[in-house]
Amino acid sequence: NAGVMQNPRHLVRRRGQEARLRCSPMKGHSHVYWYRQLPEEGLKFMVYLQKENIIDESGMPKERFSAEFPKEGPSILRIQQVVRGDSAAYFCASSSRGTITDTQYFGPGTRLTVL
Amino acid sequence: QQQVKQSPQSLIVQKGGISIINCAYENTAFDYFPWYQQFPGKGPALLIAIRPDVSEKKEGRFTISFNKSAKQFSLHIMDSQPGDSATYFCAASTSGSARQLTFGSGTQLTVLP
Repeated sequence: NAGVMQNPRHLVRRRGQEARLRCSPMKGHSHVYWYRQLPEEGLKFMVYLQKENIIDESGMPKERFSAEFPKEGPSILRIQQVVRGDSAAYFCASSSRGTITDTQYFGPGTRLTVL
Repeated sequence: QQQVKQSPQSLIVQKGGISIINCAYENTAFDYFPWYQQFPGKGPALLIAIRPDVSEKKEGRFTISFNKSAKQFSLHIMDSQPGDSATYFCAASTSGSARQLTFGSGTQLTVLP
């Protein structure tokens, strides 16, 4: 009965490198959400995906950021050419039905540090 | 219009006291209001949630009060315990196609023994 799993838990990158963050949803969940949390701030929505489809990417920066949720395997949030401002905690959540009252279960997060 | 404003930023309460955290919103399309609890180094966990068709929801020591006309809602923690010390986030979402949660900025609660 594993919860949402994210790896790595901590990731250090130098400016200009790529960061790949992985999220395995809870068993039976096909809806995945990514949020970003800056220090001392609340979580900000980035993207909502179902299997093989991006449903809503309105919170995703237009450049350097991309997300996918393939038919097999985890969801990936990819940040190209990272900059210091990308340093944050990135949380993934999953739900089973995607309805408004469907609980979003959060993973432990990946803390990205850009040097 | 998409913001959810949360106060206070931090709160210190004695054990056994009542903790009250407030949130306000502008977007009248919001119709689902969950509260999340987050411990250091962990992801947020759903605590309790309310829809706008009721004015209050209680689960154990946790109560949400909802005022639709004022566009405000609050979390009350009765008989606060040191184990309740965490960061609390209010959030809101709509019934539309987007399932995104809009979060408040968080309240760091410390319950003194």
